[in-house]
Amino acid sequence: QVQLVESGGGLVKPGGSLRLSCAASGFTFSDYYMSWIRQAPGKGLEWVSYISSSGSSVYYADSVKGRFTISRDSAKNSLYLQMSSLRAEDTAVYYCAREQGSLGLFDNWGQGTLVTVSS
Amino acid sequence: QSVLTQPPSASGTPGQRVTISCSGSNSNIGSNPVNWYQQLPGTAPKLLIYSNNQRPSGVPDRFSGSKSGTSASLAISGLQSEDEADYYCAGWDDSLNGVLFGGGTKLTVL
Repeated sequence: QVQLVESGGGLVKPGGSLRLSCAASGFTFSDYYMSWIRQAPGKGLEWVSYISSSGSSVYYADSVKGRFTISRDSAKNSLYLQMSSLRAEDTAVYYCAREQGSLGLFDNWGQGTLVTVSS
Repeated sequence: QSVLTQPPSASGTPGQRVTISCSGSNSNIGSNPVNWYQQLPGTAPKLLIYSNNQRPSGVPDRFSGSKSGTSASLAISGLQSEDEADYYCAGWDDSLNGVLFGGGTKLTVL
């Protein structure tokens, strides 16, 4: 069955960097668009970024543009999110999700990894 | 502030029918399909309705979706206690070139 397992979250100081990973299994990873979505404590869902199946096309939310970089490694069946210049408002649970068919259609989600930005 | 507007809360008693609205604009709901997600307390979101009114396998037919113009709705009939969760609408926005989520609706089963 489809599994998405995030890792790499933790406590980081404002201005710092962190790299999240998402290990995918149970499906042909290279066939699917993938996204990162986050949820601040007690708040709603916010889409962060997506990457096309080939990795040639990426999009970012305005709130992270220029600071976050999404990438993928099909040989390792892994999705990444490199986060830099982190701010307190980036504190959230970060989910990776598989896109199915159309943008915004996330048919499988990971369990999430918590990123806390605090001094 | 979400561009897709949902009521922050909704409630109903067991067996009742409740609806949750999602209001957008021409650049999102008006021109792209709407998807709905259910997030049970302490868990990751789960796809509930896709492409406006389609149910993934395993989702009970008590859940249904519809879209008209720049608005969409999620209906839950025969409300059950296990339906108590947060519900989010989502879809692509052509102007923002990104995915939008509604602010979420917390459903309480009284």
